[in-house]
Amino acid sequence: DTGVSQDPRHKITKRGQNVTFRCDPISEHNRLYWYRQTLGQGPEFLTYFQNEAQLEKSRLLSDRFSAERPKGSFSTLEIQRTEQGDSAMYLCASSLTSGKPDTQYFGPGTRLTVL
Amino acid sequence: GDSVTQMEGPVTLSEEAFLTINCTYTATGYPSLFWYVQYPGEGLQLLLKATKADDKGSNKGFEATYRKETTSFHLEKGSVQVSDSAVYFCALLTGANSKLTFGKGITLSVRP
Repeated sequence: DTGVSQDPRHKITKRGQNVTFRCDPISEHNRLYWYRQTLGQGPEFLTYFQNEAQLEKSRLLSDRFSAERPKGSFSTLEIQRTEQGDSAMYLCASSLTSGKPDTQYFGPGTRLTVL
Repeated sequence: GDSVTQMEGPVTLSEEAFLTINCTYTATGYPSLFWYVQYPGEGLQLLLKATKADDKGSNKGFEATYRKETTSFHLEKGSVQVSDSAVYFCALLTGANSKLTFGKGITLSVRP
């Protein structure tokens, strides 16, 4: 399977703990995106990378959130001091810039539950 | 800012019924438009897309036409199947940035 993969698929944590999620994009894709989806809503953009560079961050991304893509391949999203409001599905997507509008391909998501 | 509005759901249809799911948008510039589908227990999958006015995207019997004059991208299928039961999201992408803006999604249930 050469699609976008995410790990873990599910994470349950207690409030105040730190969590880290990993995303592996489609191998030749240079762009990687993170979105958050809460129940009954569409995904909301958090941040994206082109290669190693983080080019845009949403105002949704508080100081407790940090994302990295150190070698331009996989990415990690860390949430520090988790809060119950962080409970959501965290989606990763990747795309290849081609001079045309990018098509983003999504992974299966990591479902976070903060108790 | 950019936004996508989808009709309220859920929608329940009988197999072989005609499907229309409405989607309208507000955007600066000229967006590309997408429909994504999320089957139970799976991730978002691209269903179809259109990148300019009057383009028609199609896939798996689904179609949607980019209507600039009405700022709409309604999804249609002539005969739905039970396997089409899923959540459908309309989304847009503008050239000014790279983020997709999604609607809230609508749940479709098709009964045999």
